[in-house]
Amino acid sequence: KAGVTQTPRYLIKTRGQQVTLSCSPISGHRSVSWYQQTPGQGLQFLFEYFSETQRNKGNFPGRFSGRQFSNSRSEMNVSTLELGDSALYLCASSGGLEEQFFGPGTRLTVL
Amino acid sequence: DAKTTQPPSMDCAEGRAANLPCNHSTISGNEYVYWYRQIHSQGPQYIIHGLKNNETNEMASLIITEDRKSSTLILPHATLRDTAVYYCIVRANAGKSTFGDGTTLTVKP
Repeated sequence: KAGVTQTPRYLIKTRGQQVTLSCSPISGHRSVSWYQQTPGQGLQFLFEYFSETQRNKGNFPGRFSGRQFSNSRSEMNVSTLELGDSALYLCASSGGLEEQFFGPGTRLTVL
Repeated sequence: DAKTTQPPSMDCAEGRAANLPCNHSTISGNEYVYWYRQIHSQGPQYIIHGLKNNETNEMASLIITEDRKSSTLILPHATLRDTAVYYCIVRANAGKSTFGDGTTLTVKP
């Protein structure tokens, strides 16, 4: 089985811009979760989508949003980028109450 | 999800067993214990999980105390490639994990 894939792997944006990150889960997995990892805050949960519906949400401002498509692929969007949004964004997929499989991440740098 | 407490760092000699402890005293009855590790700037890698019983797979063993308030991850023969940050997580929902600071394990030759 192919693993979780994320595109792009690296991205550079400037303050005020918006960005869209993509995640393709493992085939058959219906749950996709997103996490932000920064040196200061560690790994933080953003949100989870299951069958195209947001099922869980972390404590992030409304500038962070996501969606899931019928094929379980997911996108997350960050609008009005701030310097503090520079981070590694990780996507994970799950087939149920089992382990989450993480993708390699997208490294976002905001200048 | 319950909070976990792990030591910030540990060292282990190559070839010896690495025993990584985790306290989760507020764990609920329906929460599983999961272990992941993360090698610099890569996505976390699943290692093992369990509910009440001890578990073993090709990577590691998980020992959960009878009261479920703590657990130990055992890497039986640590190698240099096992140097990583190890995260212990307890959760009931597979889709939402609350990561702590983890334990940085350094395997030394």
